[in-house]
Parts: sequence; structure tokens; C-alpha cells
Amino acid sequence: SQTIHQWPATLVQPVGSPLSLECTVEGTSNPNLYWYRQAAGRGLQLLFYSVGIGQISSEVPQNLSASRPQDRQFILSSKKLLLSDSGFYLCACSYRAPDTQYFGPGTRLTVL
Amino acid sequence: ILNVEQSPQSLHVQEGDSTNFTCSFPSSNFYALHWYRWETAKSPEALFVMTLNGDEKKKGRISATLNTKEGYSYLYIKGSQPEDSATYLCAFITGGGADGLTFGKGTHLIIQP
Repeated sequence: SQTIHQWPATLVQPVGSPLSLECTVEGTSNPNLYWYRQAAGRGLQLLFYSVGIGQISSEVPQNLSASRPQDRQFILSSKKLLLSDSGFYLCACSYRAPDTQYFGPGTRLTVL
Repeated sequence: ILNVEQSPQSLHVQEGDSTNFTCSFPSSNFYALHWYRWETAKSPEALFVMTLNGDEKKKGRISATLNTKEGYSYLYIKGSQPEDSATYLCAFITGGGADGLTFGKGTHLIIQP
């Protein structure tokens, strides 16, 4: 199994402030990486996925962006947070579709 | 837009009873169906990855079946225990690439002692 680190665990930010959430993966190289969000009252929604360094695919138009500067590092960012960005953010990895995805501990983001 | 529907939304079950719940997904362009258990304050934990029509998988007291032609999967828990209390998520993946999972909203299971 894989170990996925996410930080911070919780974050409270004002509307209009920037955001940077980081995810790192221990273990086998060249994982597929994913960012998911669970907003209040909704299911987990895929935001971004990456199959390699510098390769990012976005599932939904939004206020957020993602980057993969290193093989096992995935960063979620925003220049200006909106209230609707509040939610629980999970980073995940897999090694070969459709195999199991492993999830990190998550970040609870509250935008006020 | 893919829709994955799970029912019921929540379920209260007496300890020792068996239970089951449903996941419905689009039957076209099927690639795999995942089941996860998500306990409060923990990360989602993988239960099963199912790819073949008619697949049946088992892990202890939990089992799952898959019907890709009609687009549904059932998760069964036999002899429920308090530690089974969690949200059970199913997720669907299409195609053959590294696309992420499309999740249902989950079934929130509470086992009452």
C-alpha cells in the first residue's frame, strides 16, 4: 500500500486569499495522482488528475488549478478563494487503471 | 455527465443483522466499479475493484456483485457489527486511461448495538 501525505489538515481562509494545498506520495514512482473535493451535502468530485510530471487534466471548470512539479508531488492552488471553494479535499494515487486508488488524510478548507 | 446513484442514502441496522445496498451506474463504456468504506476522520479505504460482468468478490463478512449489462452493483454485509458503521461509496470509471473515479454520494450505514 502507499502512504500519502497531505497538509495542512485544516485551513480557514478569507474570501479572496490565495490557496496552496500539498500532497506527496511515498512508494513506487510514476503514480497517477488525483485531487477530489467533497462539498457540503455532495459526493466526492474529481477536480484534477495527472499521469506524469507537468501533465494535468481538469474535470470541471473552476477557480482552482493544479501542478505536478515532481513525480510524487501534487499541488492544488487558487489565486483568489471563493466561498464555494469550501470543502474537504482529498489527494489520491493509483498505479494502473482501473486499480485501487489510495487516499490521503484530507484537508478541511473553510472559506469565510 | 456520468451519474452514479446509491441507495439508500442512509441505513440503520441492528447489530447481527445482514444488510445490502445498491449502486447504479451507466452501462455503456464500462471499465471498472470500485467500492470504498469511508469512516469518520479517516481516509476512504478500498474494498473491491470489479471489472467483469457477473463478478462476485468477498472480504470477510462483506461481499459485492456486479452486473455491467444492466448497470448495477450490490454490496452485502453479513452479521453487521458496530465497526461496520461508515459511509460506503461506489465509484465508476470509464475508458482505459487514468481518468479519475466518478463517485456516488454514498450510503451512510449505522449499526445499532
